[in-house]
Amino acid sequence: ETGVTQTPRHLVMGMTNKKSLKCEQHLGHNAMYWYKQSAKKPLELMFVYNFKEQTENNSVPSRFSPECPNSSHLFLHLHTLQPEDSALYLCASSQVGGSMNTEAFFGQGTRLTVV
Amino acid sequence: AQSVTQLDSQVPVFEEAPVELRCNYSSSVSVYLFWYVQYPNQGLQLLLKYLSGSTLVKGINGFEAEFNKSQTSFHLRKPSVHISDTAEYFCAVIFNFGNEKLTFGTGTRLTIIP
Repeated sequence: ETGVTQTPRHLVMGMTNKKSLKCEQHLGHNAMYWYKQSAKKPLELMFVYNFKEQTENNSVPSRFSPECPNSSHLFLHLHTLQPEDSALYLCASSQVGGSMNTEAFFGQGTRLTVV
Repeated sequence: AQSVTQLDSQVPVFEEAPVELRCNYSSSVSVYLFWYVQYPNQGLQLLLKYLSGSTLVKGINGFEAEFNKSQTSFHLRKPSVHISDTAEYFCAVIFNFGNEKLTFGTGTRLTIIP
């Protein structure tokens, strides 16, 4: 596989469930990102990981918990979500630092519906 | 504050007509500029980017964009659109080098009319 892969593509969960979104990048990048895309709103950057260390948390509620075990994998653990958390969750990766920076490559997203 | 503005939320265009999607940003320092496209139920795909050099940048699918520093703009253009160009288009900017955080505009939905 190449690029950025997200699983599952679709997820329906109840407000009391616990689930996880998975992202894997095969590009050798050193930074990974979670974005939330809601209808009629700009993409919201949620978390940034550089070299497996979280460098940014944009005031995301604690019911979203990221995990980056290595530079190729990124998870988003979900628990006790609200219906307003229903959205498309996009993972991206990029190469930061050095003289040649690259653009962010995105996965196809996980369409999350909270019922 | 640093921001990215896409004034047109929706743009309908007849097939084979030209199109321009507008993007403006607010910054007095150097930036990196990007246009992404999102087809239905898909992630974002890079169309083109400006890092330095020539201000006219050519991308995939016949799109091009021109960086205008004095007007802080990076408008996307295509001389003749096709039905398959129907999608959402996002302008994005990196304001802080070394951070590489992308700031996105709100997107423009391009609808091609047969």
